[in-house]
Amino acid sequence: QQQVKQSPQSLIVQKGGISIINCAYENTAFDYFPWYQQFPGKGPALLIAIRPDVSEKKEGRFTISFNKSAKQFSLHIMDSQPGDSATYFCAASRTGYQKVTFGIGTKLQVIP
Amino acid sequence: DAGVIQSPRHEVTEMGQEVTLRCKPISGHNSLFWYRQTMMRGLELLIYFNNNVPIDDSGMPEDRFSAKMPNASFSTLKIQPSEPRDSAVYFCASSFSTAGPYGYTFGSGTRLTVV
Repeated sequence: QQQVKQSPQSLIVQKGGISIINCAYENTAFDYFPWYQQFPGKGPALLIAIRPDVSEKKEGRFTISFNKSAKQFSLHIMDSQPGDSATYFCAASRTGYQKVTFGIGTKLQVIP
Repeated sequence: DAGVIQSPRHEVTEMGQEVTLRCKPISGHNSLFWYRQTMMRGLELLIYFNNNVPIDDSGMPEDRFSAKMPNASFSTLKIQPSEPRDSAVYFCASSFSTAGPYGYTFGSGTRLTVV
């Protein structure tokens, strides 16, 4: 059973465009939602994270939008660059629990 | 800090052989996680340890898989006997448990190919 559903699984965006990756979760006990970025040959690295008490969090060109009632959250990458080409994972976890549940991943390719 | 160190980076083995993957967590981290990554299933948690004690091994696919953490600076994941369907990238991650789920740091992974 996939507790965090992520889409699309692959995405091609032109340089300068907006990349959007969507995730939905089922467990209402989740209260921490990180996004990880993974480059080829490397492990995933924490990119940005949000808690459900805010609807949006922005760090540079990366923004998380969160909709608690719909149990959905998304990552927006503004002004996408070829260097953003990577696999992105959304994830969810609960305070007090070490386990993090990951989405299937989205392979993003930003073309010049 | 050298980060989470995994070895080997690549492993090619024949079906039926024993495979041992190694992980050195970040010094001071007391939680350690083993993940498996495949195209079909993404990142799957296999097992995690807290203070060297296995806490949740519900993700270990079957008895052929075993993991140990004999001390705070070393862990192994063993597959015996290995099968072609075990081919995947295996990641180790560590964190400091009182920080909750925050601050996971992943190693660079071991790409396992079983032929």
